Amino acid sequence: SQTIHQWPATLVQPVGSPLSLECTVEGTSNPNLYWYRQAAGRGLQLLFYSVGIGQISSEVPQNLSASRPQDRQFILSSKKLLLSDSGFYLCAWDRGVYEQYFGPGTRLTVT
Amino acid sequence: TQLLEQSPQFLSIQEGENLTVYCNSSSVFSSLQWYRQEPGEGPVLLVTVVTGGEVKKLKRLTFQFGDARKDSSLHITAAQPGDTGLYLCAGDWGYQKVTFGTGTKLQVIP
Repeated sequence: SQTIHQWPATLVQPVGSPLSLECTVEGTSNPNLYWYRQAAGRGLQLLFYSVGIGQISSEVPQNLSASRPQDRQFILSSKKLLLSDSGFYLCAWDRGVYEQYFGPGTRLTVT
Repeated sequence: TQLLEQSPQFLSIQEGENLTVYCNSSSVFSSLQWYRQEPGEGPVLLVTVVTGGEVKKLKRLTFQFGDARKDSSLHITAAQPGDTGLYLCAGDWGYQKVTFGTGTKLQVIP
């Protein structure tokens, strides 16, 4: 069966510090991978998606970036965090049929 | 940009009551998914509807896709406290993109 991991689960970082969130998927190959951000109790905003190694599409201009160094690894990064980067970050995967499977999320607080 | 509006935004009901959540768009979707999310966790897929007019049932939950594939509804019969959570619809319109709805936060009071 497939599983998706995210870490860390929670993170408190000062403004201006760097960020690295990691997501890995097990039990499947060549998945589509996604990073979303969610405001409290609201819908999901798509940040990045990837259909393969090294292939990243950005949906929202911002100070965040994403990379996919391996088939089942997806990384979200920032060089300098802003207060507005606070939120709940979710990684998801699918096999191209739009039924997405989500990780447990990372709660990021920028102080 | 494809938008999915959900209504109501918040819903607080007593255990045993029925409720309906709506998901509306001006765009036609190839398919539409419903997810439930509990606090501090990722959304969990409940169902996918593909054909206009399609109805799917999952125990006490009934999902319907509009004939024109622009809207959907989720009906819960005899709600239970375990149904509490954030309900999200999501529509796919191709190009590896899925648009998520604005969300409906449901609270079922014992």
